[in-house]
This record gives sequence, structure tokens and C-alpha cells, in this order.
Amino acid sequence: EDQVTQSPEALRLQEGESSSLNCSYTVSGLRGLFWYRQDPGKGPEFLFTLYSAGEEKEKERLKATLTKKESFLHITAPKPEDSATYLCAVQAVAGSNDYKLSFGAGTTVTVRA
Amino acid sequence: DGGITQSPKYLFRKEGQNVTLSCEQNLNHDAMYWYRQDPGQGLRLIYYSQIVNDFQKGDIAEGYSVSREKKESFPLTVTSAQKNPTAFYLCASSRAGVYEQYFGPGTRLTVT
Repeated sequence: EDQVTQSPEALRLQEGESSSLNCSYTVSGLRGLFWYRQDPGKGPEFLFTLYSAGEEKEKERLKATLTKKESFLHITAPKPEDSATYLCAVQAVAGSNDYKLSFGAGTTVTVRA
Repeated sequence: DGGITQSPKYLFRKEGQNVTLSCEQNLNHDAMYWYRQDPGQGLRLIYYSQIVNDFQKGDIAEGYSVSREKKESFPLTVTSAQKNPTAFYLCASSRAGVYEQYFGPGTRLTVT
């Protein structure tokens, strides 16, 4: 069974204090790893897709990286508007035409001004 | 604007009643998904459909039913057989293949 574990569960940062979120996964074969941002009471918003170890993607203050066992979401010099829950999901090789995602429980980031 | 709409945003029902949640997309996506989100847990897949008139059970399908008669629409019925129906329900869609899923705004269902 595919497993996705995110750590820490919660992260409190001071504005400007850079940090990293971890997503470790156990899958039969990775097709893709996805990062989402979710604000309270809203649907998740897509951030990045990573396909292979060594790949990196960046968007504003966020940078996602991927190894064979885990992914990191680095937040550089965060601002209060970066406060949200960040979700990681994997798409595994469950079947030739099966494209469902398995999600982690998320990391809730709070950035104080 | 292209996107996914879910209605209503909040829904209240009495125990023993079936309720249908709406999900519509105008992104021309082939695949659609229903998830349930509970506090402190990841999104759990209820049902998904990769083509019209076909759908598959996800990890927690018991007590739920779906239909996919049109490409744009994927309604979810929460039946009285679902033991703990109170939750935040999210609909998503994607192109077929290894592509990101796009989510709607969600429906918060409360059953008392």
C-alpha cells in the first residue's frame, strides 16, 4: 500500500525565517509527486509536480525538491501570507491506467509578522 | 473562467437522509475525483472516474454512490448507510495521465 508521511505536523515561523517541510513516501513505483497549498475552508491549490529524483521546481519563495524516498518544500524568507497547510501527494504505478493520488496529512505553517 | 464548481458550500441534513453533492467542471478534463477530508487526516479518495459512464471505487466508497453521465458533471450521493458522513468533501478533475488534479472549493456537510 502506498504511504505518504509529512513532517512536521505544524510549523510556526517568524517572518523571514526560512525552513523546510518533509514528505517521505513509500510506493511501488513513482509516477509523480505533487505539492498543494490549502487555506482554511478552501480546496487545495496546485503548486508543483516533480517526476524524478534530482528534479527541482521554484515559485516565488517556495522550492520543491525530490529524492528517491522523499521530497522537501523549502520556504525562503516566508511572509504571513505563506501561512497555510501544505499537502504532498504521490501518484504510483498501481495499474497502467490508474492515476489516483495518495495524500499525506499535511503540514500547517503559521508565519508571524 | 475555467474551473470546478461545487454546490452548495454548506449542507445540513438529518440522519437517515440521502444527500447529493454537485460537482461541475468546464476544464474539458476526462478524469474526476471525490475526496473526503477530516481534521488531522489526509484527503481520502471516495470514487473516481476516468471516462464518461465509468467509475471506480476509491479507498472509502462504502455508503457513497456516484454517476458520470456527462463529462462535465460528477455528482456524489451520501447515503444513509454512511456511518460518519459529517466532513469536508472535495471534488477534483484532471487530464488523463500523470497530471495534477485541480480542486473545487469544497462542500462542508453536517449531519445531525
